[in-house]
Amino acid sequence: RKEVEQDPGPFNVPEGATVAFNCTYSNSASQSFFWYRQDCRKEPKLLMSVYSSGNEDGRFTAQLNRASQYISLLIRDSKLSDSATYLCVVNRLNSNYQLIWGAGTKLIIKP
Amino acid sequence: GAVVSQHPSRVICKSGTSVKIECRSLDFQATTMFWYRQFPKQSLMLMATSNEGSKATYEQGVEKDKFLINHASLTLSTLTVTSAHPEDSSFYICSADRDRGGREQYFGPGTRLTVT
Repeated sequence: RKEVEQDPGPFNVPEGATVAFNCTYSNSASQSFFWYRQDCRKEPKLLMSVYSSGNEDGRFTAQLNRASQYISLLIRDSKLSDSATYLCVVNRLNSNYQLIWGAGTKLIIKP
Repeated sequence: GAVVSQHPSRVICKSGTSVKIECRSLDFQATTMFWYRQFPKQSLMLMATSNEGSKATYEQGVEKDKFLINHASLTLSTLTVTSAHPEDSSFYICSADRDRGGREQYFGPGTRLTVT
């Protein structure tokens, strides 16, 4: 089983719709969780950290479910510019700063 | 925000040659830098953790004699791919850790290596 698993997609979503995707992680002791965004042939950029109580940043909401070991990302009122690959990232056990990356979920927003 | 640069952005080399990639944190000091490799449609794979003033820590399966890492200062880490082969062709990305908690890792723009 992979340490971090994501549905690769692609998710084809009309502009303005709401889309959500999950990511599961295998190590219950993981402490830090992040969503990154990666555009084609570019470096990943931090979208948001994921906190235990859930957090929101504009149109983006991230949630953590420790019991089921997954994190989620919800995007409301999707824009064409949201088209990208979204990477789920968790920290490595016993290391606060080594990150384990999911393969990403590809999102395509259609006009 | 913090800026990390990588040079070169793209390189094409012949099989058997060596290629050096530089990663610089431009406006902060990074005790730790990370080197990743990403193949098409795959996740980033951590290759090694580079600590200023000490030897790099390599992930399992990454040959330290093939991928030489030097973290000579708090703002510069270099990755040298020695005796490159076509299977080394990939997207190499570095990141610099600003707070050692992983929450402030800043990525370079990546280097696309093609070995012919």
